[in-house]
Amino acid sequence: EAGVAQSPRYKIIEKRQSVAFWCNPISGHATLYWYQQILGQGPKLLIQFQNNGVVDDSQLPKDRFSAERLKGVDSTLKIQPAKLEDSAVYLCASSRNKRGYEQFFGPGTRLTVL
Amino acid sequence: SQQGEEDPQALSIQEGENATMNCSYKTSINNLQWYRQNSGRGLVHLILIRSNEREKHSGRLRVTLDTSKKSSSLLITASRAADTASYFCATDAWGNEKLTFGTGTRLTIIP
Repeated sequence: EAGVAQSPRYKIIEKRQSVAFWCNPISGHATLYWYQQILGQGPKLLIQFQNNGVVDDSQLPKDRFSAERLKGVDSTLKIQPAKLEDSAVYLCASSRNKRGYEQFFGPGTRLTVL
Repeated sequence: SQQGEEDPQALSIQEGENATMNCSYKTSINNLQWYRQNSGRGLVHLILIRSNEREKHSGRLRVTLDTSKKSSSLLITASRAADTASYFCATDAWGNEKLTFGTGTRLTIIP
């Protein structure tokens, strides 16, 4: 089966600019996740969708980050405006369902904010 | 905040040797998973162990779980150069479905 697709793979922007990331999960996976991974750290969950509803967005900086999952399939994550500390790899993952299932990760988008 | 903490932070061994990584966590869990991340890539799931299990095997991987000590270990036997990667443990807890990752162990296999 095709894996999780993400684009773009790399993005360089100036601080205060906006950026958007796209994710296409594995077909049939109900749960979609966005993680932020800062260099040298483990991934940190930003938001979790179950179909097109939000399950957990407690660690999403809502003043600048937003995410949506259209029709329970593709998802976009947006940052507006970006800060220097947003430089990180943004990983999208999907799983068949919630808790207890392995997550399949995309290759990630490496964001550099100058 | 990170729930799990891997130990050691970095490990270098000769090809063919066994590698052991440990993960400690803070709160009671439902499941614990191990993932591998090659440099510049996404994470790959290795194994999932449930809180009522004590040991699981998958190929050259062996995972143990000690819920009384809130710790898990990942053993890779007969290591290969391709095992060079960062390894993360991740947990989810009762009442909190979120998967929380540890800080990772960077494993280097020396040919």
